[in-house]
Amino acid sequence: AQKVTQAQTEISVVEKEDVTLDCVYETRDTTYYLFWYKQPPSGELVFLIRRNSFDEQNEISGRYSWNFQKSTSSFNFTITASQVVDSAVYFCALSEEGSNYQLIWGAGTKLIIKP
Amino acid sequence: EAQVTQNPRYLITVTGKKLTVTCSQNMNHEYMSWYRQDPGLGLRQIYYSMNVEVTDKGDVPEGYKVSRKEKRNFPLILESPSPNQTSLYFCASSSTGLEQYFGPGTRLTVT
Repeated sequence: AQKVTQAQTEISVVEKEDVTLDCVYETRDTTYYLFWYKQPPSGELVFLIRRNSFDEQNEISGRYSWNFQKSTSSFNFTITASQVVDSAVYFCALSEEGSNYQLIWGAGTKLIIKP
Repeated sequence: EAQVTQNPRYLITVTGKKLTVTCSQNMNHEYMSWYRQDPGLGLRQIYYSMNVEVTDKGDVPEGYKVSRKEKRNFPLILESPSPNQTSLYFCASSSTGLEQYFGPGTRLTVT
């Protein structure tokens, strides 16, 4: 069955440290999509990135980078030089082809950046 | 500005009093969806709609209704709310069905 595991419930780091949020997924489909969303303390859900199963290129966007490895079924998210504004809950999610775009969500990782 | 709006943002009501949470998007998206978020249970899909007049159940549809008469609107209806429907509700829309853009959330308390 499909599943998304975010084993880190909470991470606390000091500002300017690098931090990696782990995401491990399970699926039997060969075509699937992986996502990261951010939920800041204000509560809204913000889309960060989508990765297709057939595209294993890593992605970098400013201080954010994502490492997709099919061999280990992982889609990890790294924030470089963290800032207080990065404090949020981060969700990893999976959608399988043919699932009517249903998102399978991880439990989320609460990231606390201390000044 | 491209956005998904929800109203109301906060609502306290009593058991059994019918209510509607509105959701509207201005991005001409075909796909819309409703989720609820509860501590320890994460985000769960209630209903989704692939297009106008096409709706289907998600993981937790019991106690909810939806309609999709126009592309931009996707209201969530609670005919007889109960305390176990106290939750944070999100509406989302998407052009492809893949990356979904979420509204600001509606915090509902049923006493």
